[in-house]
Amino acid sequence: TQLLEQSPQFLSIQEGENLTVYCNSSSVFSSLQWYRQEPGEGPVLLVTVVTGGEVKKLKRLTFQFGDARKDSSLHITAAQPGDTGLYLCAGAELVGSQGNLIFGKGTKLSVKP
Amino acid sequence: DAGVIQSPRHEVTEMGQEVTLRCKPISGHDYLFWYRQTMMRGLELLIYFNNNVPIDDSGMPEDRFSAKMPNASFSTLKIQPSEPRDSAVYFCASSLDLWAQQYFGPGTRLTVT
Repeated sequence: TQLLEQSPQFLSIQEGENLTVYCNSSSVFSSLQWYRQEPGEGPVLLVTVVTGGEVKKLKRLTFQFGDARKDSSLHITAAQPGDTGLYLCAGAELVGSQGNLIFGKGTKLSVKP
Repeated sequence: DAGVIQSPRHEVTEMGQEVTLRCKPISGHDYLFWYRQTMMRGLELLIYFNNNVPIDDSGMPEDRFSAKMPNASFSTLKIQPSEPRDSAVYFCASSLDLWAQQYFGPGTRLTVT
């Protein structure tokens, strides 16, 4: 089973700052998803990246899939308190004829007003 | 659609008791997943079903855990007997395809004393 390492584990910043969180693996994923989870709720999908080198933008959030499809990053510009939450990356893993999504442990982001 | 529905939202039980968690997936979704989330281990896949058939249960911790999906609109995760180390938030998720977006329920917070 492949492992996804997310960093940093915790991040506390002031409103208006920029930040980047990372998702790394030593193995290749066929695709990678980013989720955000707010306290007391389940994760909600933000984006899926499929192609190596792909960049997707969602308002102030920019997602990038590494060229080798082993890593990904999420950059937030001018963070707002509403961005607070747990950010999870999940890689699509194939094992023989089966497969599943492997989740990282997440980056817990706190944006203070 | 109401989304994925889980019950109960909170469960407090004593060690040794049987616990049953319930999930109603989104109608039309062929895949159903059960996850467990803790601070230490993050989000762990326990088991997933495709068209009501268990496909991969390698994440089920031990024989005390069992899951069933008697029909397309209902699944249960049972722990018998429960132990304090089973305390966690248990999520159910469903999706149209194995690699598609997973829609998570609100989770069941289980506390075993």
